[in-house]
Amino acid sequence: DAGVTQSPTHLIKTRGQQVTLRCSPKSGHDTVSWYQQALGQGPQFIFQYYEEEERQRGNFPDRFSGHQFPNYSSELNVNALLLGDSALYLCASSLEAGTLYEQYFGPGTRLTVT
Amino acid sequence: LAKTTQPISMDSYEGQEVNITCSHNNIATNDYITWYQQFPSQGPRFIIQGYKTKVTNEVASLFIPADRKSSTLSLPRVSLSDTAVYYCLVGDSNSGAGSYQLTFGKGTKLSVIP
Repeated sequence: DAGVTQSPTHLIKTRGQQVTLRCSPKSGHDTVSWYQQALGQGPQFIFQYYEEEERQRGNFPDRFSGHQFPNYSSELNVNALLLGDSALYLCASSLEAGTLYEQYFGPGTRLTVT
Repeated sequence: LAKTTQPISMDSYEGQEVNITCSHNNIATNDYITWYQQFPSQGPRFIIQGYKTKVTNEVASLFIPADRKSSTLSLPRVSLSDTAVYYCLVGDSNSGAGSYQLTFGKGTKLSVIP
């Protein structure tokens, strides 16, 4: 049973560019959340998708957007990249009807903005 | 969301029991307490969750006193592979199960020494 997978593993972009990160949830999961983790900090919630709609959103600007597909996979898009967007981006999947607060995280995508 | 306070770091020798205490003075009636573990360059992993008294699984125990203003994660006989960051999270159960927006602090960096 494959867990949460993310691609790419690493990415280097230039300021002002746009980036798309991808996530495939754990088999059977229907909810996908995205987190940003800066070096030395805990993960910060970006947003969550369920039934192909953004259901919750953290304190992130509109430059951060996402999408969930019918197969529950998801994308995170970041426009007009800033140096401060350099971080580990984590995708987590869960069952809407599953155990409270138990989310399964992928290995993350390391984004470096130069 | 209730704020949590944890020690920034802890050291322990192999084979010892490790107790990490988390303070959450403003915990609400509906709040659950959840602990996650994160290894370097990996996503966090759910360890244990509780509401009151004591919860034990194959990995750890969670002790919650009657006033619920703190909780203690206990790791029995740690090994080098337990070196990681441990996060304490507190949140309510009113959102859909599995849909909860996880709020991470900086966590406790546990270093296990040979």
